[in-house]
Amino acid sequence: DAMVIQNPRYQVTQFGKPVTLSCSQTLNHNVMYWYQQKSSQAPKLLFHYYDKDFNNEADTPDNFQSRRPNTSFCFLDIRSPGLGDAAMYLCATSRDPGRGLQDEQFFGPGTRLTVL
Amino acid sequence: AQKVTQAQTEISVVEKEDVTLDCVYETRDTTYYLFWYKQPPSGELVFLIRRNSFDEQNEISGRYSWNFQKSTSSFNFTITASQVVDSAVYFCALRAPNEKLTFGTGTRLTIIP
Repeated sequence: DAMVIQNPRYQVTQFGKPVTLSCSQTLNHNVMYWYQQKSSQAPKLLFHYYDKDFNNEADTPDNFQSRRPNTSFCFLDIRSPGLGDAAMYLCATSRDPGRGLQDEQFFGPGTRLTVL
Repeated sequence: AQKVTQAQTEISVVEKEDVTLDCVYETRDTTYYLFWYKQPPSGELVFLIRRNSFDEQNEISGRYSWNFQKSTSSFNFTITASQVVDSAVYFCALRAPNEKLTFGTGTRLTIIP
């Protein structure tokens, strides 16, 4: 089945220790997104890739970086995790054919990050 | 600016009852898309429906139905004959061209056996 896969599902890191979360997709979608979701809140967009073009949200801290080496994979790097970065991180993909058309986003199961 | 309001923070109903989740949106765009997502305890956001602003037809999918009313800027979601598996957080979302997906704050639905 075509899907969005995230690894690991649970990640524990220490304060200040870099961590990388990964996302892969078999949907061949051209857009990939990273969201942060804290408890009892809506997902918050961090950034997205439209093909190879990186689009950062204005309020995303510099501590968060992303890489998309190919269509299928996207990574979220947190350079120096703080306690406030503990959250669920959701990857999503969509097919955006342009011309203002919007397809739905498909989400992965998320990675729950704990910072000790 | 886009905004989505889900005024119901939490709802509990007894199994087999019908339940409606409210969603009110704001946008200046004439073309936009509305979505509903379900987030069960496992955490994954599951896509339920997409509706574009030019299509005001109501939609039914099994026990789920959606009522889109442009006049009141509402896109409400009804579950008929609720089941325990419907327990989840439900998010309504809005997206206009060249804008990011804007989520409401979600409604936590609990179905009591």
